[in-house]
Amino acid sequence: DGGITQSPKYLFRKEGQNVTLSCEQNLNHDAMYWYRQDPGQGLRLIYYSQIVNDFQKGDIAEGYSVSREKKESFPLTVTSAQKNPTAFYLCASRSGKKAGDVEQFFGPGTRLTVL
Amino acid sequence: AQSVAQPEDQVNVAEGNPLTVKCTYSVSGNPYLFWYVQYPNRGLQFLLKYITGDNLVKGSYGFEAEFNKSQTSFHLKKPSALVSDSALYFCAVRDRFNKFYFGSGTKLNVKP
Repeated sequence: DGGITQSPKYLFRKEGQNVTLSCEQNLNHDAMYWYRQDPGQGLRLIYYSQIVNDFQKGDIAEGYSVSREKKESFPLTVTSAQKNPTAFYLCASRSGKKAGDVEQFFGPGTRLTVL
Repeated sequence: AQSVAQPEDQVNVAEGNPLTVKCTYSVSGNPYLFWYVQYPNRGLQFLLKYITGDNLVKGSYGFEAEFNKSQTSFHLKKPSALVSDSALYFCAVRDRFNKFYFGSGTKLNVKP
């Protein structure tokens, strides 16, 4: 899992509550990503950020929000508008400093369960 | 539209036998292709990548992958499977906007 940390590992939320998932990296990577993983569906992109103070919506951004105030941090907020938030959430980062630095590195994930 | 297909939900092999996990892709422009492995309740670990050059790419833990441009495929291979290789494998492609698209995953079962 390298230098990417996600907390907490397990998170339980009541319906109607917002919750924030933490993602921190000490790899000095420029780009960071949030994915949602559901059984049998692979990974789906929620948001990504290629530089501080800028981010773009992915394929399933509705009901989620992010911020990128610091290079090393990319928190994800799951709002009450997200209809089915129970899933495994993965954060990733990518260097981008050299032409060959194209791969992503992933954190250990946060499993969110809505009660 | 960019996409990745992993046609097999599960692949079963005996320990010591060769393994192949299939992947086909669709992307505009030159493809950047990746394989990742995931163990239960863990994040994804990078195995290997194709950017350009030799069509046979070698990666971690003895894995390799063969890029075939005409068939738009990037199959993962290993000459001799280990029980410890049992895991979930994902193929991914990156587009020119630095977005990544993942396949649905293939569960590899290696039996002793």
